[in-house]
This record gives sequence, structure tokens and C-alpha cells, in this order.
Amino acid sequence: GENVEQHPSTLSVQEGDSAVIKCTYSDSASNYFPWYKQELGKRPQLIIDIRSNVGEKKDQRIAVTLNKTAKHFSLHITETQPEDSAVYFCAASETQGGSEKLVFGKGTKLTVNP
Amino acid sequence: DAGITQSPRYKITETGRQVTLMCHQTWSHSYMFWYRQDLGHGLRLIYYSAAADITDKGEVPDGYVVSRSKTENFPLTLESATRSQTSVYFCASTGLASDTQYFGPGTRLTVL
Repeated sequence: GENVEQHPSTLSVQEGDSAVIKCTYSDSASNYFPWYKQELGKRPQLIIDIRSNVGEKKDQRIAVTLNKTAKHFSLHITETQPEDSAVYFCAASETQGGSEKLVFGKGTKLTVNP
Repeated sequence: DAGITQSPRYKITETGRQVTLMCHQTWSHSYMFWYRQDLGHGLRLIYYSAAADITDKGEVPDGYVVSRSKTENFPLTLESATRSQTSVYFCASTGLASDTQYFGPGTRLTVL
């Protein structure tokens, strides 16, 4: 089945700097790659996603890039703010056996220092 | 987000007891999922359902039972709770395969 590796597990940046989180996946058939943000004590919420027919997607300060050949995708946050502090999860779709579900990375705890 | 709810939000139980966690969504989503979240493990899939009366195992199904008699409800039962099942449990749903999953607020379960 699908396996998703996420790095780093923790990331600390200064306010205004950029942050990059990287994920690799194993199933070449995966076609959907969402990123979720989870604040302390809250539910995971989608912040951006990308499909396999697109190489890059941007939404204000957030961007995601996908390299299908290398089977990795990355989250880029520019001009970080303290409210960006949270745990971020990447995920990849798995289509094994005809059933489609998401496999999540183990998360990256991002801390933005004022 | 208000379209998917979980109950109870907090539960303390004892080893060996049966516990049922409820999940309800109002979007008529076909797909529903149960995850557990533990430090260092991220979100791990317990069970999922593609439609009413269709369920399948995820990564960590042992010790759990699910049912889905109605599209909007997807209860998760711990038949005989163990301490290792202490965790935060999230329910999620989506209307299409390989699409955005919307998470419920979570249930924090402690097994003593």
C-alpha cells in the first residue's frame, strides 16, 4: 500500500521567513495530495491540495509543488506569521483494491517565533 | 465544518468496557472514515465506508468494530477497551473518492 514520509518533524522559523515541508510517497498511482493544518486541540483542516495533472498551486502565502517523477511534494509558506504555528500533515490518495482513501504523513510541528 | 459532529467529545472508561463513539454528517457524503491520532504516529485509518452497509478495514482495525446502516451515521465501537486505545479519534467524510476530507471535532478517549 501507499507509504507517505514527511520531513522535518519539527520546524522553527522567525516571523517573516519562509517554511518548507516535504513529503514523499510510494504509490505512483496516487493522484491527489492534500495538506492539512491542525492547531492545538482542534481538528485538521484542509489548507491546500494538488492533483497529479498539476505541478504547482498557489493560494496567497501558501504553495504546493508536485514532482510525480520523483514522487515527492512540498508545502511552501512565505512571510510566515505566528498564527501559522500548528502541525501540518501531508497526505496522498491510495487506490489499492478499488477503494480510495488517504494515507497521511506523521506531521510537522511548525513554530513561528515573533 | 458544522456539518460533521462527533459525540461524546470526551470519554473516560475502564479496561474491558465497551465504548461507542458516534459520528454524524449532514452533507449526505458517501465516504466516511475513522482515524486515531497519537503523538508520533499522525493520523492512522481505523475503518472506512464507501456507502451505507459497505465498510472496510484501514491500517489499525484490531479491537474496533464499525457499522453504517444510514448514510449519515458511522459509529465506532471498542468492544473491550484497552489502555492502548487511549487516543484522540477523528471522524471524517467526503463526497467523492480522492477528494477533500472534512474532519469532525474529535473525541478524546481515555482508557484507565
